[in-house]
Amino acid sequence: GAVVSQHPSRVICKSGTSVKIECRSLDFQATTMFWYRQFPKQSLMLMATSNEGSKATYEQGVEKDKFLINHASLTLSTLTVTSAHPEDSSFYICSARAPGQGATGELFFGEGSRLTVL
Amino acid sequence: LAKTTQPISMDSYEGQEVNITCSHNNIATNDYITWYQQFPSQGPRFIIQGYKTKVTNEVASLFIPADRKSSTLSLPRVSLSDTAVYYCLVGDGRDDKIIFGKGTRLHILP
Repeated sequence: GAVVSQHPSRVICKSGTSVKIECRSLDFQATTMFWYRQFPKQSLMLMATSNEGSKATYEQGVEKDKFLINHASLTLSTLTVTSAHPEDSSFYICSARAPGQGATGELFFGEGSRLTVL
Repeated sequence: LAKTTQPISMDSYEGQEVNITCSHNNIATNDYITWYQQFPSQGPRFIIQGYKTKVTNEVASLFIPADRKSSTLSLPRVSLSDTAVYYCLVGDGRDDKIIFGKGTRLHILP
């Protein structure tokens, strides 16, 4: 199946710094990627939908100036958490649809990135 | 986008068959039903997908009644490694957002 890779898998940063998480589709081109965050024992919460070459669409309550999403190519989307604070500590997951899956909507997920803000 | 409802949690024992049911009363004609499995600190992974009747693969079966308002994921002879959260999603490739429900936390006991 299609492979989506995230980097880094774990990151620890100081409060006030910015952190970038990369999401790559390794063997397919993804015009659309989705970014989620997940707190312990909770479900995935959609943060934004990232479309290649255009601005991301953010869900209500997600600050677009704090969570910067860039989808500059068909194989790479990045999420930058700016001026991170301890409450931003979470598990961030990206996903993408592979070509040919258009009718069924199957998603491929990255391994996730655990952010800890001290 | 159709909303789904699943049991919050289930317990079972090794070697048993586990059936997890998902309700999706507002499923649209073009929607497929997809189940994902998630282990702690990992991204979800695809288990099985179907549109109607029954689908079977090497890890699970998916039963979908004629009205498609629900579906049942069947895991045969579970093991401890099947302990995970299982999510049921409905939609098609044109959805501009993919919303997860709460999922079912399955705990397999020895």
